[in-house]
Amino acid sequence: DAKTTQPPSMDCAEGRAANLPCNHSTISGNEYVYWYRQIHSQGPQYIIHGLKNNETNEMASLIITEDRKSSTLILPHATLRDTAVYYCITGENYGQNFVFGPGTRLSVLP
Amino acid sequence: GAVVSQHPSWVICKSGTSVKIECRSLDFQATTMFWYRQFPKQSLMLMATSNEGSKATYEQGVEKDKFLINHASLTLSTLTVTSAHPEDSSFYICSASRSLNTEAFFGQGTRLTVV
Repeated sequence: DAKTTQPPSMDCAEGRAANLPCNHSTISGNEYVYWYRQIHSQGPQYIIHGLKNNETNEMASLIITEDRKSSTLILPHATLRDTAVYYCITGENYGQNFVFGPGTRLSVLP
Repeated sequence: GAVVSQHPSWVICKSGTSVKIECRSLDFQATTMFWYRQFPKQSLMLMATSNEGSKATYEQGVEKDKFLINHASLTLSTLTVTSAHPEDSSFYICSASRSLNTEAFFGQGTRLTVV
């Protein structure tokens, strides 16, 4: 079973920030938080990952709470092409045999 | 990021036949590859872990005699669905990583339809 919980769906207006929450209350000290997304009928695409510090790259920002029990993925300026299912996953090994939950289906609306 | 390519992207086969799906790491050597299956409107489910030069490790409930996995080289793993049936119709996705502690990159997936 997945060790994370996410809302099943979210809407976001194009151009606005999309904030996707994830709960991982049972995360252990050496587990990372990974975010992937899957656009319809494609393989998952890596977005970002972190251990305990906030992270930012060209795609998104990852905010991890101090107790590491939850995190938020931020897409600063969502576009229609960001419409996808977003998966929050925890694990020790840097992207290995992931256990995927149902994810959050983000719909970016014009 | 590194590129992982699957072939074919989609395939239709008759019930009872076998189908082979290839997963290649194009610009790196992958000691470990993973195979996932995704049914419509569901999430990805790990089927097996494949290590170069050794037997694959299958997840509980996955029939190893039906889903044959071969990882004969550092850039290629194959999944063969033997005696395919309509219930095997699914989206099959592989991922590959250089080693245990490095990022895994996903292929684009293969959609199998058994008629």
